Amino acid sequence: EADIYQTPRYLVIGTGKKITLECSQTMGHDKMYWYQQDPGMELHLIHYSYGVNSTEKGDLSSESTVSRIRTEHFPLTLESARPSHTSQYLCASSDPQGGSYEQYFGPGTRLTVT
Amino acid sequence: AQRVTQPEKLLSVFKGAPVELKCNYSYSGSPELFWYVQYSRQRLQLLLRHISRESIKGFTADLNKGETSFHLKKPFAQEEDSAMYYCALSGRDFNKFYFGSGTKLNVKP
Repeated sequence: EADIYQTPRYLVIGTGKKITLECSQTMGHDKMYWYQQDPGMELHLIHYSYGVNSTEKGDLSSESTVSRIRTEHFPLTLESARPSHTSQYLCASSDPQGGSYEQYFGPGTRLTVT
Repeated sequence: AQRVTQPEKLLSVFKGAPVELKCNYSYSGSPELFWYVQYSRQRLQLLLRHISRESIKGFTADLNKGETSFHLKKPFAQEEDSAMYYCALSGRDFNKFYFGSGTKLNVKP
């Protein structure tokens, strides 16, 4: 079944650790996105990708990095986690060229940095 | 600067009452407007898009360019409408999306 997956769903980690949040989609979508959302606040776009080997930073400055080596995979990495990185991270994909302007969201990863 | 404002964090109504969730935006250009919904324990999903001009689950939204608003309305709220609602906009290229902070709708029996 076509879907978008995020792992882990929950992560509690200590300061200074390197972490990678995984996002995979089996929809064949070219565009993928990472959003950061603090409780009760807007979703902020932090990274997006138009396709393989294409990545752009969003409007919200983030210390994270992303890569897009395969169409279906869009991982987000924090080299050294800090408490200020505590947030929910949502991955999404879309295919406007294919007529689907809708963003399909994953279940999210709730990150807590202690 | 692009911005989406949802002034109400929480809206409580009784079943059968009319509902209006407010959304105002600022955007330099011609935006595409959307409403997304997140039911309890479910993912964020698209509810409707302004250009479709369709009613989804009884909800409608009219784009008012003069007032830069895109309010979501339903004449008779149902308990199953209880959820978080997010207003969002993008450019015609659908490259970047901007979301509001969301309104929690609570429909009481």
